[in-house]
Amino acid sequence: NAGVMQNPRHLVRRRGQEARLRCSPMKGHSHVYWYRQLPEEGLKFMVYLQKENIIDESGMPKERFSAEFPKEGPSILRIQQVVRGDSAAYFCASSPWGTNEKLFFGSGTQLSVL
Amino acid sequence: QKEVEQNSGPLSVPEGAIASLNCTYSDRVSQSFFWYRQYSGKSPELIMSIYSNGDKEDGRFTAQLNKASQYVSLLIRDSQPSDSATYLCAVNTGTASKLTFGTGTRLQVTL
Repeated sequence: NAGVMQNPRHLVRRRGQEARLRCSPMKGHSHVYWYRQLPEEGLKFMVYLQKENIIDESGMPKERFSAEFPKEGPSILRIQQVVRGDSAAYFCASSPWGTNEKLFFGSGTQLSVL
Repeated sequence: QKEVEQNSGPLSVPEGAIASLNCTYSDRVSQSFFWYRQYSGKSPELIMSIYSNGDKEDGRFTAQLNKASQYVSLLIRDSQPSDSATYLCAVNTGTASKLTFGTGTRLQVTL
């Protein structure tokens, strides 16, 4: 039973490029959460999605960031026109229940912006 | 004031000792509390959850919650070198959406 799969593990982008981060939840999980972890900081909530719906995006920056979880395929976190401050580890977590009582985290994508 | 506060450490304890990790939170409506363990470069892993005042034990781990003092702690008995990691305190304020995490306490268990 595969866990939460994130890819790529490492992503290097130059300023102004786009970054696409992918997350495939555990089998049977239809709830996906994205968190960002900056150096020396805690995990910060970004967005909560169910299949085809954004439930809570209160942690998403207003510009350049978007997320989707289509009916088929992985959840995508998209960052347009990346800046150095976007460099961080981005973790995806999934849950079967639609609560955050037990989140299963992926291995994360380390985004580095040059 | 941060919503969830932890001492960043490192907290150094000898092998076999009890490690005590502490966390305070600011939102009185917080309902559920979690401890995650994160090894360096790895993903967080849930090790304990607690919902009501008092102690909850699971193997070598005990979580303690005091809602009046807005305080939650994690005790690790018989600490092992494999327990060396960063321990993240997380709080749910009642939404299904988000957990609020502290910055974590780095634990070092020495031989």
